[in-house]
Amino acid sequence: AQRVTQPEKLLSVFKGAPVELKCNYSYSGSPELFWYVQYSRQRLQLLLRHISRESIKGFTADLNKGETSFHLKKPFAQEEDSAMYYCAALNNAGNMLTFGGGTRLMVKP
Amino acid sequence: DTGVSQNPRHKITKRGQNVTFRCDPISEHNRLYWYRQTLGQGPEFLTYFQNEAQLEKSRLLSDRFSAERPKGSFSTLEIQRTEQGDSAMYLCASSLNMNTEAFFGQGTRLTVV
Repeated sequence: AQRVTQPEKLLSVFKGAPVELKCNYSYSGSPELFWYVQYSRQRLQLLLRHISRESIKGFTADLNKGETSFHLKKPFAQEEDSAMYYCAALNNAGNMLTFGGGTRLMVKP
Repeated sequence: DTGVSQNPRHKITKRGQNVTFRCDPISEHNRLYWYRQTLGQGPEFLTYFQNEAQLEKSRLLSDRFSAERPKGSFSTLEIQRTEQGDSAMYLCASSLNMNTEAFFGQGTRLTVV
């Protein structure tokens, strides 16, 4: 079965500290991986996708096929990064996202 | 706001009643998706449309659930004989085509009492 796991429900760090939000996947084939973010009272929105290899708002994520992981990292957290973060995998047909349970990131001043 | 629009934003209904939600995708987006999100969980896929054709349905979509996209534009999701377990946030998303970014609506929060 296709599965995306985010082991941490809550991650709390101080401003300026490094952040790593963990994501592991169990998927047949070669899924495309994404990170979505939901800020308070806003809709779910795409943060980044692994094929673009971009850094968005200082966040990066590297796909590690050997460990089946796609952890999200930022070297220096900012208060405005506080949000819910969801890791997701797109199936090979490109028509269904499987989401992890989400991690709430709280960045304290 | 030219993004994905969902109505109503909130719905409270008594158990056993039928409810219908509407989703207006971004104009010219061919693909439309419905997801359900319960408290503390990530969104779960329900169904997806390519234009007016419903091409994929999750096992989560019991026979009490029906979705339509009659003209390939807006979509409706109907739940018949609602149960308390149907209480959730129902999310709609649309994308231009395969493997392009999916844009989500604000969701409809359903509470069955």
